[in-house]
Amino acid sequence: NFLLTQPHSVSGSPGKTVTISCTRSSGNIANNFVQWYQQRPDSAPTTVIYEDDQRPSGVPDRFSGSIDSSSNSASLTISGLRTDDEADYYCQSYDSSTHVVFGGGTKLTVL
Amino acid sequence: QLQLQESGPGLVRPSETLSLSCSVSGISISTSPFYWAWIRQSPGKGLQWLGTISYSGSPLYNPTLKSRLTMSRDTSKNQFSLNLTSVTAADTAVYFCARADTMIKDFDYWGQGALVTVSS
Repeated sequence: NFLLTQPHSVSGSPGKTVTISCTRSSGNIANNFVQWYQQRPDSAPTTVIYEDDQRPSGVPDRFSGSIDSSSNSASLTISGLRTDDEADYYCQSYDSSTHVVFGGGTKLTVL
Repeated sequence: QLQLQESGPGLVRPSETLSLSCSVSGISISTSPFYWAWIRQSPGKGLQWLGTISYSGSPLYNPTLKSRLTMSRDTSKNQFSLNLTSVTAADTAVYFCARADTMIKDFDYWGQGALVTVSS
């Protein structure tokens, strides 16, 4: 199996842009879709990006996802930061046997 | 409106079996191509996938928990369930049930989560 490694925390100021990385330890990041979830305290996660770069309806276009095969990583970029973007963010993918793998999560602080 | 709701004991003794059910409303759990999953989150920690059961009833388990884990479903009640044997304090977590639109897509609907504490 493989690991998805995220930074423990990132921060940014309102109106600015932050990027959260998700690095796959083995196997090609591009081989399996990556999803991103936002989780606010005491709430279930919600999807902000699915299938690498797709936004569910209702998620603002300030949220974008991408894949970089050269670094074997996925990224979630949030532009025009708002205070209510402050949350934990998790990447998720799956292996060749369709076992689900989550990243360790990144705490976003909007200063 | 699709809804998922976890239910089960909030306290389980060490070495016993943790049993939870997820009641689904708004769609039959037998509807293709949907998959139904259990995901847990230990206090202050990240998300851990436990397993998934398909619309046809086929389970897939996290290899690290496979020896202790059983997932099943009751289509008459439109519920799916989790049994985790020989629990320890490390199994204390909020347990979420969730739906995926095919095996490789995101979990698009989640229950609110159920806190299960393992303690004597």
